[in-house]
Amino acid sequence: QQQVKQSPQSLIVQKGGISIINCAYENTAFDYFPWYQQFPGKGPALLIAIRPDVSEKKEGRFTISFNKSAKQFSLHIMDSQPGDSATYFCAPGGSGNTPLVFGKGTRLSVIA
Amino acid sequence: DVKVTQSSRYLVKRTGEKVFLECVQDMDHENMFWYRQDPGLGLRLIYFSYDVKMKEKGDIPEGYSVSREKKERFSLILESASTNQTSMYLCASSPGGADTQYFGPGTRLTVL
Repeated sequence: QQQVKQSPQSLIVQKGGISIINCAYENTAFDYFPWYQQFPGKGPALLIAIRPDVSEKKEGRFTISFNKSAKQFSLHIMDSQPGDSATYFCAPGGSGNTPLVFGKGTRLSVIA
Repeated sequence: DVKVTQSSRYLVKRTGEKVFLECVQDMDHENMFWYRQDPGLGLRLIYFSYDVKMKEKGDIPEGYSVSREKKERFSLILESASTNQTSMYLCASSPGGADTQYFGPGTRLTVL
């Protein structure tokens, strides 16, 4: 079953532009909404995460927007830089010992 | 800093061989996970463990087994390696099931 749908699969953005990646989920029990960033040859690492009690969280150039009614959350990267070129995964999760559910990933390329 | 280490970065094995992939974490985390990552398929959960000697099947457990005899160590076993198990294997740990997961650098396994 596809509990998590991430889009787009790949994205090319000009340096300085805005990158937007979306994640739609089905499980209403999810209460933790993280984005992971993975560089080639490395394991994924937590980039930013949000809990459902807020609709937006900003950390530097990275923002999560959360829409509970639509069961969607998105990652916005402002002023995108070549160093942001990586694969991004959404990975919502619920409580207890239920593992996170990873999306299939979005490969972002930021070109100068 | 949380550190998750994996025994090998690269591994080449023959079809039919028994393969052990080891993962060690140093943060006293309760939960540990094994994923495989393939292009276009994202991260797929093979097995996870939320306590010593406990294990739970993930989405794709067929052909794999795991062992967790000590809290810090989680092993993935391929009883009889096959070419379709050629992949990148990632280990992760977390304090709880739906908490931030910390990933190791991965083992790229090639089965010939």
